[in-house]
Amino acid sequence: DAGITQSPRHKVTETGTPVTLRCHQTENHRYMYWYRQDPGHGLRLIHYSYGVKDTDKGEVSDGYSVSRSKTEDFLLTLESATSSQTSVYFCAISESTSGRSNYEQYFGPGTRLTVT
Amino acid sequence: GDSVTQMEGPVTLSEEAFLTINCTYTATGYPSLFWYVQYPGEGLQLLLKATKADDKGSNKGFEATYRKETTSFHLEKGSVQVSDSAVYFCALRGGNQFYFGTGTSLTVIP
Repeated sequence: DAGITQSPRHKVTETGTPVTLRCHQTENHRYMYWYRQDPGHGLRLIHYSYGVKDTDKGEVSDGYSVSRSKTEDFLLTLESATSSQTSVYFCAISESTSGRSNYEQYFGPGTRLTVT
Repeated sequence: GDSVTQMEGPVTLSEEAFLTINCTYTATGYPSLFWYVQYPGEGLQLLLKATKADDKGSNKGFEATYRKETTSFHLEKGSVQVSDSAVYFCALRGGNQFYFGTGTSLTVIP
């Protein structure tokens, strides 16, 4: 199994509070991703990173920010949590070399976030 | 843009039955295609992959063939077991982003 951990694994927070989720990898993979998983929607990309300090928005980035100051860590921050952000959040990693695009993603175990 | 459409669930089968989960895709260029499996309370695990037309990915008795002419990557297994009960996701890689289907829940009953 790819070395990916997420913390916390479960969190309950109140509307309006800031929340930070952490993803940590030991695989030295270049790409890191944050997804949310909701019934009927599958996985939706929030943000991704293609290197230290290099990030880009995904499909559902509103209300979320990310940071990547080290190769191994990718943080997802909800600046002011809302009930619509109640979800399961997954981190994933992938590698890419120039001219190739066949590398798969490896997923962390997920963080279940409840915003009350 | 790139997208994946997969068969709606849930699917319920008896043990040893034949499984097919349909997946079609829309993409520019020549994406890589994947099937992932998710067991309750866990993250997604790669089940199999194919990187070019006519490739067949296989793992644990599951198979899927990359069909460019029909833009499909259907998942099949000849004889399912109770332990195959899970949610299955079809996905494609376009550039450095991945696009997932909504998932198909499979329950196998003894």
